[in-house]
Amino acid sequence: EADIYQTPRYLVIGTGKKITLECSQTMGHDKMYWYQQDPGMELHLIHYSYGVNSTEKGDLSSESTVSRIRTEHFPLTLESARPSHTSQYLCASSPGGTDTGELFFGEGSRLTVL
Amino acid sequence: GQNIDQPTEMTATEGAIVQINCTYQTSGFNGLFWYQQHAGEAPTFLSYNVLDGLEEKGRFSSFLSRSKGYSYLLLKELQMKDSASYLCAVLDSNYQLIWGAGTKLIIKP
Repeated sequence: EADIYQTPRYLVIGTGKKITLECSQTMGHDKMYWYQQDPGMELHLIHYSYGVNSTEKGDLSSESTVSRIRTEHFPLTLESARPSHTSQYLCASSPGGTDTGELFFGEGSRLTVL
Repeated sequence: GQNIDQPTEMTATEGAIVQINCTYQTSGFNGLFWYQQHAGEAPTFLSYNVLDGLEEKGRFSSFLSRSKGYSYLLLKELQMKDSASYLCAVLDSNYQLIWGAGTKLIIKP
C-alpha cells in the first residue's frame, strides 16, 4: 500500500488568492511529480523533482511553483489563483534508479476557483 | 508530436472478456504502463511491458508490440468493480511518461 498523502482533498477559493497544495510521502522515493487532470482527460505533468533541491517544469504551462527541501515533501503553490486553475491536482512519487517507473499516486486535491 | 490513442468508452457485460487497445507514437520507448482509475480516485498501477509479448497477472493481461506501436489490456471474468477508466502511458526516451486520455469501461449486469 502506497503512503503518499495530499492535503487539502477539496478546496474552494476566490480569484487572486494564494494557495499551497501539500504532498508528503513516507516511502523514501527520490522522484516526485505534480499532475493536473480534468475529467475524462489525460494527466498533464506540471512539475517534477528527482531529489532534494531538484525541481523541473513539466509540459503544461503553469503559474505555479514547487520546492523540494526535504525528500518526503513536495508542495505546489499557486501565487494568484484563477478560475482556469479549477482542476484536480495529483501528486505522485516513484523510486529512483533503474526502476520501472511505476508511480504511486496520492488521492488528489480538487481545486475550485470562483 | 507525441500521442497516445485509446477508445474513449467501452461497454461490456459482467463475466465477459474485454480488450482495451492503445496505440502510441512517441520519441523513443522505455516501456508502456496500464493504470486503473476509479471515478474521483487516483490512478493505480496495473502492468508494465517493455518487451514484446503478453504479461499475465490474474484476471488482467497486457500485450505489447513495439514494431506496431500497439498494446492492449485484456480483462477476463469481468466484475462490476472493474468499472473504471484505464489509462495507457508510455515512457519516452527522456524517461517522461506520456499519458493517454483513458478508456472509460462500463460493466453491465
